[in-house]
Amino acid sequence: QKEVEQDPGPLSVPEGAIVSLNCTYSNSAFQYFMWYRQYSRKGPELLMYTYSSGNKEDGRFTAQVDKSSKYISLFIRDSQPSDSATYLCAMPRDTGRRALTFGSGTRLQVQP
Amino acid sequence: EAQVTQNPRYLITVTGKKLTVTCSQNMNHEYMSWYRQDPGLGLRQIYYSMNVEVTDKGDVPEGYKVSRKEKRNFPLILESPSPNQTSLYFCASSLVQGGALEQFFGPGTRLTVL
Repeated sequence: QKEVEQDPGPLSVPEGAIVSLNCTYSNSAFQYFMWYRQYSRKGPELLMYTYSSGNKEDGRFTAQVDKSSKYISLFIRDSQPSDSATYLCAMPRDTGRRALTFGSGTRLQVQP
Repeated sequence: EAQVTQNPRYLITVTGKKLTVTCSQNMNHEYMSWYRQDPGLGLRQIYYSMNVEVTDKGDVPEGYKVSRKEKRNFPLILESPSPNQTSLYFCASSLVQGGALEQFFGPGTRLTVL
């Protein structure tokens, strides 16, 4: 079993839709949870990260962590064609936050 | 402009021919890391470095070497490349306080080993 599982998609939605992207993880010691966005032919860029459980909001993006279920989500409100990208979740697997484990990524396509 | 640069961006080589992929950052970051990205497997960490002369293995270090002689540079060395090292490689850096949390990624190097 992979430490971090992510549905590869592709996920296709109409412009303006609310998008939900999800990851499950197996290691209960994970404490930080990150979401990266990767456009085609580019390196990943950090969207946001959260510590422990709860919600964190940044503009149209909301990250949610449910540690009891080992489940994290990224919600995108009012999705735009410019949100079309692959979204990767990631978690440090050591307390020093030096070694990262990534999900395989979900490809999102927002149709105009 | 703050950035991580990688060279070359594209490389086709043959089995066994030693190669080096360079990585440089201009943000005075202590932490640097190398990843490979393969379809269906996502990003996997190869090596990381917390500072000059301090390096450690990631998930998939076999067949790779790194060195950190200067803060800004973190080259990835393939002493004897094999076809299973055909992949998309990313270098990343961050301030050490954040560890791997707030990494800036380079544009990637697409390597093909024939």
